[in-house]
Amino acid sequence: AQKITQTQPGMFVQEKEAVTLDCTYDTSDPSYGLFWYKQPSSGEMIFLIYQGSYDQQNATEGRYSLNFQKARKSANLVISASQLGDSAMYFCAMRLTSGTYKYIFGTGTRLKVLA
Amino acid sequence: EPEVTQTPSHQVTQMGQEVILRCVPISNHLYFYWYRQILGQKVEFLVSFYNNEISEKSEIFDDQFSVERPDGSNFTLKIRSTKLEDSAMYFCASSLGHPEWGSEKLFFGSGTQLSVL
Repeated sequence: AQKITQTQPGMFVQEKEAVTLDCTYDTSDPSYGLFWYKQPSSGEMIFLIYQGSYDQQNATEGRYSLNFQKARKSANLVISASQLGDSAMYFCAMRLTSGTYKYIFGTGTRLKVLA
Repeated sequence: EPEVTQTPSHQVTQMGQEVILRCVPISNHLYFYWYRQILGQKVEFLVSFYNNEISEKSEIFDDQFSVERPDGSNFTLKIRSTKLEDSAMYFCASSLGHPEWGSEKLFFGSGTQLSVL
């Protein structure tokens, strides 16, 4: 069965520093997509970044990058130059491309950026 | 940017009552989902819906739950007889593409906070 694991329930980072949020996944399917979502205290789910299992390069979106290590089945989110507005819950998610329509989510990491 | 709309934002109900949570997915999207989140924790899959039928459901989605797309725009989640443990934030989501297109991101609504008393 597919599974997403986020082992860091909470993280602190100093403003302007970089932070890495960990995500490991488990699937035997060779084709899948990995996503990161941000959930601020207001509750909405905001898409941040996507990585495909066949993508050769790590995904980047502005200050967000995804450190994809396929052999280790990890898809860590790196936030550079942290800002106070980055304080939120962050969820890693996975979607297979066959056999299921659902996205499965990890338990999330709560990030607090310190001034 | 187009968005998924959910109403109401908050719903309070008595245990045993029926509730209907409403969603308007993005108009050209084809796949629709309900997720729930209890106390800001794990985001749990409930059901996916495609081509006017349920494509997949979780073990949470028992006989008390149903979904409908009655008019081609609205997508509803009904809980027939609510229990205390149904209290959660319910998110509607939609995506555009075929499931083989793994890059298709989910667009979420802002959620309905359901409180069962």
